[in-house]
Amino acid sequence: ILNVEQSPQSLHVQEGDSTNFTCSFPSSNFYALHWYRWETAKSPEALFVMTLNGDEKKKGRISATLNTKEGYSYLYIKGSQPEDSATYLCAPGGIYFGSGTKLNVKP
Amino acid sequence: EPEVTQTPSHQVTQMGQEVILRCVPISNHLYFYWYRQILGQKVEFLVSFYNNEISEKSEIFDDQFSVERPDGSNFTLKIRSTKLEDSAMYFCASRGTGRGNIQYFGAGTRLSVL
Repeated sequence: ILNVEQSPQSLHVQEGDSTNFTCSFPSSNFYALHWYRWETAKSPEALFVMTLNGDEKKKGRISATLNTKEGYSYLYIKGSQPEDSATYLCAPGGIYFGSGTKLNVKP
Repeated sequence: EPEVTQTPSHQVTQMGQEVILRCVPISNHLYFYWYRQILGQKVEFLVSFYNNEISEKSEIFDDQFSVERPDGSNFTLKIRSTKLEDSAMYFCASRGTGRGNIQYFGAGTRLSVL
């Protein structure tokens, strides 16, 4: 089992704010890192799979970076909207999930 | 868009009973997974399955659990003798080959053990 840490645990922002959160994981034997978006009462939805050190991925207003040498990934949301409210999960190796960052965007 | 389907959506059972949770992965996917999420806790990996055998399992996946791909389309999780602490949402997921492929999750089965 990997020790995966996500911070902060929760985040409350106003509509239009940009925000970011962190996923930390052991840097040894890195394979891939998955980011998921999980809305209440739904199943996790994959955002990105990142495999290479220095990877940057973007999907609309959401982007992510990866540093495999130091064992962290950042997820950024530009101009948060209420529909971005969800829990954002990272999963090193794609299977061991962090506890998530719960984002609440207020209109 | 293809999707992973899980049945039933909610299963209620008595402690000690056997349950089988069913999943139909996306048809051309070769990797299959089971996860669970106990209410208020994080998503926990149970088992991964590839080429008709278990490729990895967590410490949660003890002798009470088993997986099977009985007919080439369904992927099942069996809990032999359910305990109260098995009450959770169980998610199935599948993905194609390749390190960069994403996992697609089903909607989950809520298991309630009474």
